[in-house]
Amino acid sequence: GENVEQHPSTLSVQEGDSAVIKCTYSDSASNYFPWYKQELGKRPQLIIDIRSNVGEKKDQRIAVTLNKTAKHFSLHITETQPEDSAVYFCAASTNTGFQKLVFGTGTRLLVSP
Amino acid sequence: DARVTQTPRDKVTEMGQEVTMRCQPILGHNTVFWYRQTMMQGLELLAYFRNRAPLDDSGMPKDRFSAEMPDATLATLKIQPSEPRDSAVYFCASGLTAGEQFFGPGTRLTVL
Repeated sequence: GENVEQHPSTLSVQEGDSAVIKCTYSDSASNYFPWYKQELGKRPQLIIDIRSNVGEKKDQRIAVTLNKTAKHFSLHITETQPEDSAVYFCAASTNTGFQKLVFGTGTRLLVSP
Repeated sequence: DARVTQTPRDKVTEMGQEVTMRCQPILGHNTVFWYRQTMMQGLELLAYFRNRAPLDDSGMPKDRFSAEMPDATLATLKIQPSEPRDSAVYFCASGLTAGEQFFGPGTRLTVL
């Protein structure tokens, strides 16, 4: 079955710096890769996603890149702000018709003012 | 702004008691997922439904957990009997077959 690895587990940056979180997946048939942000005590919220027919997607300060050959995808946050501090999860769809997701183990991002 | 809702938000119970958690998916979504989140195991998929039919419950301990969708607006997750190791946050999520999943606020379960 699908396996998703996520690195790093924790990431500390200064406000204004960029942050990059990387994930690898094992199932070459996976075709949907969402990223979720979870603040303390809150629900995971979908912040950006990418499908296997594109290599990059951007939404304001966040972007996701996908390398299907290498089976890895990354989240890029530019000009980080303290409110970006949260746990970020990547996920990959499994090879079923119903888009079951397998989640990475999460990255705790801390943005210091 | 449509959202998934879950009740109760917090539940404290004693070992051996039955626990029922409820979820109302976003209207029109045909897929419902139940997840469990702990510090040690992260986000684990317990079960999911499409068009109210159970598709996969391989993530659930079958002897004590059960999941149902009595109708399109209600999904339930039951634990009977509950054990301390069941303490976790239980999330429901809903979506369409296109893949996006939207999470509810979760039920924080504490089993003493």
